[in-house]
Parts: sequence; C-alpha cells; structure tokens
Amino acid sequence: GESVGLHLPTLSVQEGDNSIINCAYSNSASDYFIWYKQESGKGPQFIIDIRSNMDKRQGQRVTVLLNKTVKHLSLQIAATQPGDSAVYFCAENGDGNKLVFGAGTILRVKS
Amino acid sequence: GAVVSQHPSRVICKSGTSVKIECRSLDFQATTMFWYRQFPKQSLMLMATSNEGSKATYEQGVEKDKFLINHASLTLSTLTVTSAHPEDSSFYICSASLQANTEAFFGQGTRLTVV
Repeated sequence: GESVGLHLPTLSVQEGDNSIINCAYSNSASDYFIWYKQESGKGPQFIIDIRSNMDKRQGQRVTVLLNKTVKHLSLQIAATQPGDSAVYFCAENGDGNKLVFGAGTILRVKS
Repeated sequence: GAVVSQHPSRVICKSGTSVKIECRSLDFQATTMFWYRQFPKQSLMLMATSNEGSKATYEQGVEKDKFLINHASLTLSTLTVTSAHPEDSSFYICSASLQANTEAFFGQGTRLTVV
C-alpha cells in the first residue's frame, strides 16, 4: 500500500537549537501535505500544511519545505523548546481525501 | 480551529465483549470522518472512512464485521469493536475535516485495553 516515510528515527537537539525533521513520501500524485505533532497519549495536533504548488511555507517558529522532485518534506523548528518534545508525523492526502501517515520522528529536546 | 471529541478516553473491557467509541465534531458538520489505529511507537494506520448516511469504507485487511462503524448524523461517528480480544488493545483515533483536502482535526484518542 501507500507509505509515507519508512523509519522512526529519534532526533535529539539542545534547547535553543534549530530542529530539522525529514520525511519521504511515495505518492507523486499527492498534492497536500501536513505535519502533525503528537504527545504521548493524545491525538495528533496540526502544525503546518503545504500544497504542491508551493515549495516553502512558514508559520510561527516552523517552516515546511517541499521538494516534489525527490518526494521529500522537511519540518524546521526554530529555537527548539522543551515543549516541542513529541513525535512528529508527516501526512499526505491519498485517494478519497484519506490521510496517509509517515512512520514518525521522535524529537527529544535537551535542556 | 474545529474541535473533534472522542469518548471514552480510556476503556478496559473483558475478552469477548464489545466496546463502542464515539467521535463527535463539536462545532462543525462532518460528512466524512476517519478512524485510525495506533500501536505503541508506531504510526497511525487508517482503518476506515466513515460516511454519513452510507456504509463505511474499510481499508484492506480491516475486518468490517469486527470493527462496526456507524455515522448516523453529521456530527457523530461510532466505532464498535465487537468480540474484543487482547490483540485489539490499541489506541484508536478519529479525525474529520471541514472540507476535502484541508487540515484534519483529530480527537484525543481512546486507549482500549482488552483483558
């Protein structure tokens, strides 16, 4: 079936540093992508989204980059804070408006 | 943003019993909702698409007789795990969007433990 991201890496960063979380997607027909943050025992929380007609979008402390040529997404978090510690998932729209999730990346922020 | 609420947040049931999980869109109408399952340290796996007023669409490998979905109104979808077994223990999450190809809002999830 479709898959977005095949790994569950852990990224450890020092508080105040910038974080970059990467994601590979497999469906070249996808045209909408979302990054979610999930804290333990909770549902995913929307961070930022991007459509395929863009290659960059910025939010508050976060930036999403989209490279359609290599089917790659990245999430950049500026000045990472302890509260940013969570699992981060990228997701792409699939058939019938279904969201397909990547494996996720654990972000650990060291104080 | 829009709010999606799930109930219960945690449930423990005995093997062989059935459990119903509710997913409500609190401030918007959702003709389509989605049900996911998540095992520890794994990603969300889509189980089914819940369609208001019609049958749910199940993903490959998901037993429709095992996981009954009802979407009788524009603000409520229910997932019933029938004849639950310990291997059904998982985190179940629902989502809904205001419109197609826009941000999906997620419920807080339901932790099901079958003993």
